[in-house]
Amino acid sequence: DSGVTQTPKHLITATGQRVTLRCSPRSGDLSVYWYQQSLDQGLQFLIQYYNGEERAKGNILERFSAQQFPDLHSELNLSSLELGDSALYFCASSVQSDGWGTGELFFGEGSRLTVL
Amino acid sequence: AQTVTQSQPEMSVQEAETVTLSCTYDTSESDYYLFWYKQPPSRQMILVIRQEAYKQQNATENRFSVNFQKAAKSFSLKISDSQLGDAAMYFCAYGADGNKLVFGAGTILRVKS
Repeated sequence: DSGVTQTPKHLITATGQRVTLRCSPRSGDLSVYWYQQSLDQGLQFLIQYYNGEERAKGNILERFSAQQFPDLHSELNLSSLELGDSALYFCASSVQSDGWGTGELFFGEGSRLTVL
Repeated sequence: AQTVTQSQPEMSVQEAETVTLSCTYDTSESDYYLFWYKQPPSRQMILVIRQEAYKQQNATENRFSVNFQKAAKSFSLKISDSQLGDAAMYFCAYGADGNKLVFGAGTILRVKS
């Protein structure tokens, strides 16, 4: 158990819909990262938050947005869903953004999104 | 931009034998970290081993060791005495400046009994 909690574990929805994925980082971790894992593109970095503020952005679509709340949990919002958005969405956390500490990201179990 | 390349989509090893997974990366940074993560069928991403670029000594964790060649930008993972539980997808990852990790495409490792 990494200590990172993601909900829901599985989600099936239709094209055009909107969903929200939730992540609770490990206790004490200030940084949250979102990754998308699809069959044809491996693990793609989407976005990072550190202590409530956006710190880095990857190949995140404009239809996607995220935020980190004062209690440090994070939500990834996916809207106007398309078939190609079907993927496993991972949240990971680490202690800090500046400097590496142990350099390790702790991953949740992922949220499997299926768009029909 | 940094890139990580894993040229072996799939590898097989006999139980108790040794296997090496390859990884190369591209960066202009001098200070960075390299990682191998394991993703079993449970989907959980598990850190296997970590290497700091400023350290010349190769990292070792029990049956797992790396061959880090900084000049060649190569970072291979050696698994000794392979076990059935080692069967998984293995990802090589690069990280620098406290931000995101960049992952390779992964190598599926199959262990034969």
